Amino acid sequence: EDKVVQSPLSLVVHEGDTVTLNCSYEVTNFRSLLWYKQEKKAPTFLFMLTSSGIEKKSGRLSSILDKKELFSILNITATQTGDSAVYLCAVAPFTGGGNKLTFGTGTQLKVEL
Amino acid sequence: GAVVSQHPSRVICKSGTSVKIECRSLDFQATTMFWYRQFPKQSLMLMATSNEGSKATYEQGVEKDKFLINHASLTLSTLTVTSAHPEDSSFYICSVAVGAGSEKLFFGSGTQLSVL
Repeated sequence: EDKVVQSPLSLVVHEGDTVTLNCSYEVTNFRSLLWYKQEKKAPTFLFMLTSSGIEKKSGRLSSILDKKELFSILNITATQTGDSAVYLCAVAPFTGGGNKLTFGTGTQLKVEL
Repeated sequence: GAVVSQHPSRVICKSGTSVKIECRSLDFQATTMFWYRQFPKQSLMLMATSNEGSKATYEQGVEKDKFLINHASLTLSTLTVTSAHPEDSSFYICSVAVGAGSEKLFFGSGTQLSVL
């Protein structure tokens, strides 16, 4: 059974801090790892990672995948209150049509002034 | 990406009633849509894959007679929770994948179901 574990479960930081969110996984026939941001309801897509060691970057957010050690990190620099959300990590296998995602429980990030 | 609309956003119903949730793909023709459920502080769990014009594929442990899925058009999938019970109270959310077999999902805004 595919498994995704995220840590920490929750995190409170101050504006301007840098945070690192972790995601480790076990999946049969790994295809990709995805990060989503869930603010209130709908998760919004952040990154999709398929290759080891290649950093994906979008503004203050970046993510990297290590396929050997089976984990990924999501970094947020210069955090803002608008970054407060649950960050979800998910893995996709090649089996099951390729889009049967297994999600972690998420990291609840709160950014305070 | 794809714009996905889900309705209603919140529903409260009495035990034993049925509730229908709609998921619309507004700018993309989706042959496949995915229904997830999320209990508080737990992960999104895939319930079923909705296939346009054919039967839905249910995940292990999900009762197909209780969670009826209809995907009659390329832009609309519905999930009906039949004879709802308090244990069915959860957050239900649909998603679409842009491109056959794509793992990049776009989500609706979800429906919070509370069964009294």
